[in-house]
Amino acid sequence: EVQLVESGGGLVPPGGSLRLSCAASGFTFSTYAMSWVRQAPGKGLEWVSGISGSAGSTYYADSVKGRFTISRDNSRNTLYLQVNSLRAEDTAVYYCAKWVMDYGDYNMDVWGQGTTVTVSS
Amino acid sequence: SYELTQPPSVSVSPGQTASITCSGDKLGDKYACWYQQKPGQSPVLVIYQDNKRPSGIPERFSGSNSENTATLTISGTQAMDEADYYCQTWDSSSVVFGGGTKLTVL
Repeated sequence: EVQLVESGGGLVPPGGSLRLSCAASGFTFSTYAMSWVRQAPGKGLEWVSGISGSAGSTYYADSVKGRFTISRDNSRNTLYLQVNSLRAEDTAVYYCAKWVMDYGDYNMDVWGQGTTVTVSS
Repeated sequence: SYELTQPPSVSVSPGQTASITCSGDKLGDKYACWYQQKPGQSPVLVIYQDNKRPSGIPERFSGSNSENTATLTISGTQAMDEADYYCQTWDSSSVVFGGGTKLTVL
């Protein structure tokens, strides 16, 4: 069974940092791109960042560029998101997703359950 | 930056057909996909590559994409289809989501 399990969320003051993790199982992790998507309370989905299977390419939304860093450890089947300089507007549930990049199609076919990041003093 | 526009809400009677639109400049030149999200749950992919259904998604879900509009159609809508639906595409090295549509089955 394909599974993604996020962890690392929590309550952090403005300006603080966290490292989110996503443990993957049930598929050949290194051959798939992965992505982070967030959802603020009562709001829609917002793409945050993505990374190719080899980690050779990374992608970021303008809203997080320079503050967030995506990475992966294919030996541990784990995806990471280092989130720095956190702001109140970063408060959200953060989902990791298996990201299919296939000849112009960029869908996310498997999602984790999410981890909650709350930025507040 | 590229934008996708969805109606905030759509209502449908049980057994009828629901259509949810997603508009963007020359969206028909790109692939669109759709996600279903029920309250308190993670999103689920229901349509990819404009009109393909992942394994396990009922046949009543279908999609199309032409010119500036992608459409998710749910035929014979059931109460269990009540959810938020999001369209998504790719533009200029970024994933773009629509704002979401709340489908009410009443």
